[in-house]
Amino acid sequence: QKEVEQNSGPLSVPEGAIASLNCTYSDRGSQSFFWYRQYSGKSPELIMFIYSNGDKEDGRFTAQLNKASQYVSLLIRDSQPSDSATYLCAPLGGKAGTALIFGKGTTLSVSS
Amino acid sequence: DAGVIQSPRHEVTEMGQEVTLRCKPISGHNSLFWYRQTMMRGLELLIYFNNNVPIDDSGMPEDRFSAKMPNASFSTLKIQPSEPRDSAVYFCASSSDRAGYTFGSGTRLTVV
Repeated sequence: QKEVEQNSGPLSVPEGAIASLNCTYSDRGSQSFFWYRQYSGKSPELIMFIYSNGDKEDGRFTAQLNKASQYVSLLIRDSQPSDSATYLCAPLGGKAGTALIFGKGTTLSVSS
Repeated sequence: DAGVIQSPRHEVTEMGQEVTLRCKPISGHNSLFWYRQTMMRGLELLIYFNNNVPIDDSGMPEDRFSAKMPNASFSTLKIQPSEPRDSAVYFCASSSDRAGYTFGSGTRLTVV
């Protein structure tokens, strides 16, 4: 499988700050990128996805994609303690290009 | 919609025993994925199906693992014989297109 790299963290930010989560990937053929959030003991849940280079905003979340650098990031504005979780980056890849290949995730801790 | 349903939620078995994990995808979803999650290796793709046909099983660790999808509403992942290193959380996910997956609640497998 192609590699997806994320800093495992923990990334600690105070409440109200911006959290920046980064991800690099090795498969140049990947065209779509997904961010999932996973609370401890729970299943991953989709936050947002991005297809095109540039920024995509959804509420407090902004995904950024740079295909030339093979880099994708997730910004969380006005971080809340409820955002404390593990964030998983997942490019579409696999044999037919239709399977999510997950990084190991970055653990975010937001302190109040 | 009941979401992706996995059973059992927890399974404790002795080494050498056969283990069968079950998954019911969301109605109308035509892709089904099996993942395994451990602290060391993160979320690994084991196998996925499209329209009930296995597309890529390169993530299946050994011949002890097998998966079937006899119809659009049911899939099984079988481990025979089970070993302690198979202990992990096994997730099933389904999707109708490339807009992301919905995960089940997972099966926590412990092999003693």
